[in-house]
Amino acid sequence: AQRVTQPEKLLSVFKGAPVELKCNYSYSGSPELFWYVQYSRQRLQLLLRHISRESIKGFTADLNKGETSFHLKKPFAQEEDSAMYYCAPRGNEKLTFGTGTRLTIIP
Amino acid sequence: DVKVTQSSRYLVKRTGEKVFLECVQDMDHENMFWYRQDPGLGLRLIYFSYDVKMKEKGDIPEGYSVSREKKERFSLILESASTNQTSMYLCASSSPRGRPLGANVLTFGAGSRLTVL
Repeated sequence: AQRVTQPEKLLSVFKGAPVELKCNYSYSGSPELFWYVQYSRQRLQLLLRHISRESIKGFTADLNKGETSFHLKKPFAQEEDSAMYYCAPRGNEKLTFGTGTRLTIIP
Repeated sequence: DVKVTQSSRYLVKRTGEKVFLECVQDMDHENMFWYRQDPGLGLRLIYFSYDVKMKEKGDIPEGYSVSREKKERFSLILESASTNQTSMYLCASSSPRGRPLGANVLTFGAGSRLTVL
């Protein structure tokens, strides 16, 4: 069965400290992987996707096929990073979301 | 600049009522989805549609049905609302795999918060 696990429901980090939001997946084949973010009172939106290999708002995510992980990282947290983050693998047209991690940046 | 519009932002209904949640997208996307979002459970897929008049069950279809008569519109129907269907409902759309520039990326609506009393 296809599964995605975000082990931390809540994560608090001091401003300026590094951030890592964990995501592990169990998928057959080669899924495409995404991180979506929802800021307070805003719509859920794409943050980044692994095939783009890009950095968005200072965040990067490396796909580790050996560990089946797709952790989201940022070297220096900013207050505006406080939000709900969802990891989402996609095996076909259907996207499966993790349970999400609420990130709070402490000033 | 709104691309996915959900008709109702907040609804309050009584147990047993029939509920319609409407979603319209203006991006000519083939794929449309309905999710429910609950704290601690994340987003769970209810139904999705690849094309007009086509629908596929997601992970939690029980108690729901959908309608897609036009490409731009995807409706979620609760035939007989129950209290455990109190939730935030999110509609999303995307273009299919294989199309460039944003293929597979979901664009979400603002959500419809349904309370069933």
